[in-house]
Amino acid sequence: GAGVSQSPSNKVTEKGKDVELRCDPISGHTALYWYRQSLGQGLEFLIYFQGNSAPDKSGLPSDRFSAERTGGSVSTLTIQRTQQEDSAVYLCASSLVGPSYEQYFGPGTRLTVT
Amino acid sequence: GENVEQHPSTLSVQEGDSAVIKCTYSDSASNYFPWYKQELGKRPQLIIDIRSNVGEKKDQRIAVTLNKTAKHFSLHITETQPEDSAVYFCAASDNYGQNFVFGPGTRLSVLP
Repeated sequence: GAGVSQSPSNKVTEKGKDVELRCDPISGHTALYWYRQSLGQGLEFLIYFQGNSAPDKSGLPSDRFSAERTGGSVSTLTIQRTQQEDSAVYLCASSLVGPSYEQYFGPGTRLTVT
Repeated sequence: GENVEQHPSTLSVQEGDSAVIKCTYSDSASNYFPWYKQELGKRPQLIIDIRSNVGEKKDQRIAVTLNKTAKHFSLHITETQPEDSAVYFCAASDNYGQNFVFGPGTRLSVLP
């Protein structure tokens, strides 16, 4: 079946502009994660959605970052007033919650802030 | 919150040799420990995982061991091949996957 998809694959934006990144999880996966990966670095947790529960926003680096998940499916990560340090690959992953917790990652969105 | 450390950060081995990557975690409530492999320019993919009620799990050339008392777990790759070259991430999570924390990664290079 279809895997996790993300759009756009690449985004170049000017400093100060807002951007929206989209994630389509695998159908039926109730858990959805957003991560940020800078070049050659690890996976920085941003936010976690599980079903209808309140999202875990503990990883969001500033109030310029927000995310929503509509209807328990598609998720959008929004970065307002982008800064150069926001440049990174943004990865989305989805999973079931039991018995398997395997996260299936999307291809990522490479964001470049000029 | 959970903190996951991973060592070494880089590892080079000769083809055919074994590779071992070690991780420690801090939260005793964590009970699910996956390992992900990320090849250059690709997305991370699960290669093996272990739960706290199991001390060791093996899948062909890959094995993971867990010591809950010491709060550490390790990835073992035997008979390494060039295609094993990648960045490997360990992670720790509770049962519901909510407190899911990745280690910083180990870059493994298998030299021909």
